[in-house]
Amino acid sequence: GENVEQHPSTLSVQEGDSAVIKCTYSDSASNYFPWYKQELGKRPQLIIDIRSNVGEKKDQRIAVTLNKTAKHFSLHITETQPEDSAVYFCAASIAGGSEKLVFGKGTKLTVNP
Amino acid sequence: DSGVTQTPKHLITATGQRVTLRCSPRSGDLSVYWYQQSLDQGLQFLIQYYNGEERAKGNILERFSAQQFPDLHSELNLSSLELGDSALYFCASSPPGQGWHEQYFGPGTRLTVT
Repeated sequence: GENVEQHPSTLSVQEGDSAVIKCTYSDSASNYFPWYKQELGKRPQLIIDIRSNVGEKKDQRIAVTLNKTAKHFSLHITETQPEDSAVYFCAASIAGGSEKLVFGKGTKLTVNP
Repeated sequence: DSGVTQTPKHLITATGQRVTLRCSPRSGDLSVYWYQQSLDQGLQFLIQYYNGEERAKGNILERFSAQQFPDLHSELNLSSLELGDSALYFCASSPPGQGWHEQYFGPGTRLTVT
């Protein structure tokens, strides 16, 4: 079935460093790839998304890249800050007329001051 | 605040019981999605409703059911509860229209089955 693999499961960086989280998906017809940030005890919130007709998208310190051939996409956070500490989830849309997202299992990012 | 509301915030119940979780989407949103989040499984899509009709189904157990009412609020019913059903249950809503839209998540209902 549809599957999204996310790596690493935990990531610890020093403040100011960059962080990269990678996801691979199985459904070659997937065309929408959002990233959600979830702080402890809170709701997931969309931080950036990318559609299949675009290879890269940037929003200030956050960027997402998509490689459709290899079926993987990545989240890049530059100049990390302690408030970036959270769990990040990638997701991929499922084709076939449904509006279903399959989520990765999450990456716990810790930014050490 | 996303504009999506969920009640109750916490629910503690015993195995074998039945509970109902409620969700009100953002004003203007027609889609409601239900997700289960447990510690080791991440966010699992359960079911989606669009303007009262079931639109997509995920890994929803037969013991679980949902519906969306004419005022667009939705309820998720969980019956014959088991210890493994303990989890955070989120609903999300998204605006109408073609193509993909951001899903706005509610604050969640934490269900504990004892």
